[in-house]
Amino acid sequence: SQTIHQWPATLVQPVGSPLSLECTVEGTSNPNLYWYRQAAGRGLQLLFYSVGIGQISSEVPQNLSASRPQDRQFILSSKKLLLSDSGFYLCAWGTGTDYEQYFGPGTRLTVT
Amino acid sequence: GQQVMQIPQYQHVQEGEDFTTYCNSSTTLSNIQWYKQRPGGHPVFLIQLVKSGEVKKQKRLTFQFGEAKKNSSLHITATQTTDVGTYFCAGTDSWGKFQFGAGTQVVVTP
Repeated sequence: SQTIHQWPATLVQPVGSPLSLECTVEGTSNPNLYWYRQAAGRGLQLLFYSVGIGQISSEVPQNLSASRPQDRQFILSSKKLLLSDSGFYLCAWGTGTDYEQYFGPGTRLTVT
Repeated sequence: GQQVMQIPQYQHVQEGEDFTTYCNSSTTLSNIQWYKQRPGGHPVFLIQLVKSGEVKKQKRLTFQFGEAKKNSSLHITATQTTDVGTYFCAGTDSWGKFQFGAGTQVVVTP
């Protein structure tokens, strides 16, 4: 069966510090991978998605970036965090754009 | 661009009552998906509807896709405390763009 992992579960970082969040998927090959951000009590904002290694599409311009160095690994990064980067970051995988997505447990990021 | 809107934003329900939440799109959708996010948790896929007018049931939950494929509804009967959470719809438009609605937060009063 497929499993999606995210770490860390929680993170507190000062403004201006770098960020690296990792997501890995097991039990499937060539998945579509997604990064979402959810502000407290709000909906899901799609940040990046990837249909293959090295292929990244950005949905919202900001100081975040994403990379997919391996088929089942998706990384979200920032060189300098802003206060507005605080939120719940969710990684998800799917088999195609018309199919359901499966979410990881998420990382709660607080930028202080 | 495509807009997926959900109403109501908040739903307070007495345990045992029924309620319906709605999802409306500004464009025709190729499919509609529903997810549930428990407080403190992550979204979990519930169901996908593809055909015009399609109706699917999961126990006390009934999902419907509109005839014009621009709206959908989720109806829950005999609400239980386990139904607490935020329900999101998400759809793919004819250009392949996928978007989540803002969600309906459901609070159940015992």
